[in-house]
Amino acid sequence: LAKTTQPISMDSYEGQEVNITCSHNNIATNDYITWYQQFPSQGPRFIIQGYKTKVTNEVASLFIPADRKSSTLSLPRVSLSDTAVYYCLVGILGANNLFFGTGTRLTVIP
Amino acid sequence: DAGITQSPRHKVTETGTPVTLRCHQTENHRYMYWYRQDPGHGLRLIHYSYGVKDTDKGEVSDGYSVSRSKTEDFLLTLESATSSQTSVYFCAIRSRGLNQPQHFGDGTRLSIL
Repeated sequence: LAKTTQPISMDSYEGQEVNITCSHNNIATNDYITWYQQFPSQGPRFIIQGYKTKVTNEVASLFIPADRKSSTLSLPRVSLSDTAVYYCLVGILGANNLFFGTGTRLTVIP
Repeated sequence: DAGITQSPRHKVTETGTPVTLRCHQTENHRYMYWYRQDPGHGLRLIHYSYGVKDTDKGEVSDGYSVSRSKTEDFLLTLESATSSQTSVYFCAIRSRGLNQPQHFGDGTRLSIL
């Protein structure tokens, strides 16, 4: 499993765009990048998944450069309810063992 | 969310007692997983199932057993609970297909005194 490195914590004001970068220097050819969000007392919730370039859904965008050694989760116009821990995962699609690491704790400030 | 129910949501028990946690899904998904989450360790896979009566070990399986007698239920058993098994336990499910992510329940907080 490819290891990932994320900032431990980030703060942002409401209404701003937040970019959380994840480093995964040892990503393998068949690996995909997946992001989860976790609120206190809840299980992780799937946000977005991608292989290369850019992926966008109704919640977030995922930017992956050509070398795929990093990825950036972009959350547009965050609100207080986006305060959570965000996990970057790297692995093959459908992998049974997901490596979550310790994630990035995002705090949105009024 | 995602048709997953974990029970109980909270449990306090004593060292040496048996404990069984239940994960119930209404999605008819093939794959089911048990994780534990501890401070500083993220989530770690305990066991998983890829079909009825088909299970395999994860990263931290020692001291745990599982059973899946029907598609919708995946049970995690601590035969003789120890204080090191105090944790939050999450169940996850995944449907067949390579691009399907795992979806998680809301967890069971287990305290072993």
